Amino acid sequence: DTGVSQNPRHKITKRGQNVTFRCDPISEHNRLYWYRQTLGQGPEFLTYFQNEAQLEKSRLLSDRFSAERPKGSFSTLEIQRTEQGDSAMYLCASSPDGFNQPQHFGDGTRLSIL
Amino acid sequence: QQQVKQSPQSLIVQKGGIPIINCAYENTAFDYFPWYQQFPGKGPALLIAIRPDVSEKKEGRFTISFNKSAKQFSLHIMDSQPGDSATYFCAASVQTGANNLFFGTGTRLTVIP
Repeated sequence: DTGVSQNPRHKITKRGQNVTFRCDPISEHNRLYWYRQTLGQGPEFLTYFQNEAQLEKSRLLSDRFSAERPKGSFSTLEIQRTEQGDSAMYLCASSPDGFNQPQHFGDGTRLSIL
Repeated sequence: QQQVKQSPQSLIVQKGGIPIINCAYENTAFDYFPWYQQFPGKGPALLIAIRPDVSEKKEGRFTISFNKSAKQFSLHIMDSQPGDSATYFCAASVQTGANNLFFGTGTRLTVIP
């Protein structure tokens, strides 16, 4: 079963360091989403790609965050100068184009800031 | 501002019971309403979804009821089992454009054997 794959599963880093996460979506899924989930809350939308184009960004995505999907396949999410408040689960989801297409989520990368 | 409001926060039922989770929304542009199930350490997994032109949808033991005029929808789990113990999230999206999901705050369900 080739679902959405995210790496690493866990990342522990010191405040101020940069981190990068990777997401491999389901192959042939044109749409890719990043969400952030904090403890006891539902996922919150961060950004959306249609193929390689980043078409929407949430106001939650501060200028310390950057995301890329260089060839329309895998995507990376980088956080620069991490802060305590960045501690969360970062989830990636993908879906085909079209209406009523479900988003399939990966198991996320849990980020802990020391 | 929470675009999708979900209740209750937690729910405990006996095996075989029918837990009901409720959600409400304000944005009438929402036109896709999925429910996700999440186990600890895992990502959300789609359970069932409904469009606003349908009042009820059933898949296996899971049923969504949808009331467009009240802007409310709910999930019923028939014959609940201990393996259904998980956190359930309702969500909503506008399918034109990004189709990003707005999630509720989740309901932690415990099914007692």
